[in-house]
Amino acid sequence: DTGVSQDPRHKITKRGQNVTFRCDPISEHNRLYWYRQTLGQGPEFLTYFQNEAQLEKSRLLSDRFSAERPKGSFSTLEIQRTEQGDSAMYLCASSLEVEKLFFGSGTQLSVL
Amino acid sequence: DAKTTQPTSMDCAEGRAANLPCNHSTISGNEYVYWYRQIHSQGPQYIIHGLKNNETNEMASLIITEDRKSSTLILPHATLRDTAVYYCIVRVATYNNNDMRFGAGTRLTVKP
Repeated sequence: DTGVSQDPRHKITKRGQNVTFRCDPISEHNRLYWYRQTLGQGPEFLTYFQNEAQLEKSRLLSDRFSAERPKGSFSTLEIQRTEQGDSAMYLCASSLEVEKLFFGSGTQLSVL
Repeated sequence: DAKTTQPTSMDCAEGRAANLPCNHSTISGNEYVYWYRQIHSQGPQYIIHGLKNNETNEMASLIITEDRKSSTLILPHATLRDTAVYYCIVRVATYNNNDMRFGAGTRLTVKP
């Protein structure tokens, strides 16, 4: 499968714990995006990388959130001191062109 | 980026054409219309995009009105697998515009 891969698919954690998600983009794609989606809503943009550089961050990305893309390959999204409001689906996408984003199946986070 | 308005939900009979409308009355001259869809438990999938001319690909057709204030996505022969949430997005397609802003979309149910 040469699509966008996200790991884990599901994560259950207790409030206050740290969690980290991984995204492996399509190999030749230099652009990588993170989105968050809550039930009944469309995905909300969080942040964007071009190669290893994080070029844009949404105001939704509080200081408890950090994303990295070392060497311009895979990316990680870490949430520190999780809160119940962080419960959502976290989606990763990659692209070569600005028009066509290819999304992974997401990581479903549940904070208890 | 211009705002879009879509019906919350629609039904379509299997084998019939599904016509999904989108209103974007405040669209600017340099803004494109994009359509993505999201099947349950998956990330969004790119369908088609256009500026002012009608577009067709293997998945769908996009009809944009002459004044560009509205558009229609047409799935010519809907199947049960086309049941999904369909998102209409309007944005400027520039190198530096990196966030694809999703609204709540239209939930299309294809019925046998």
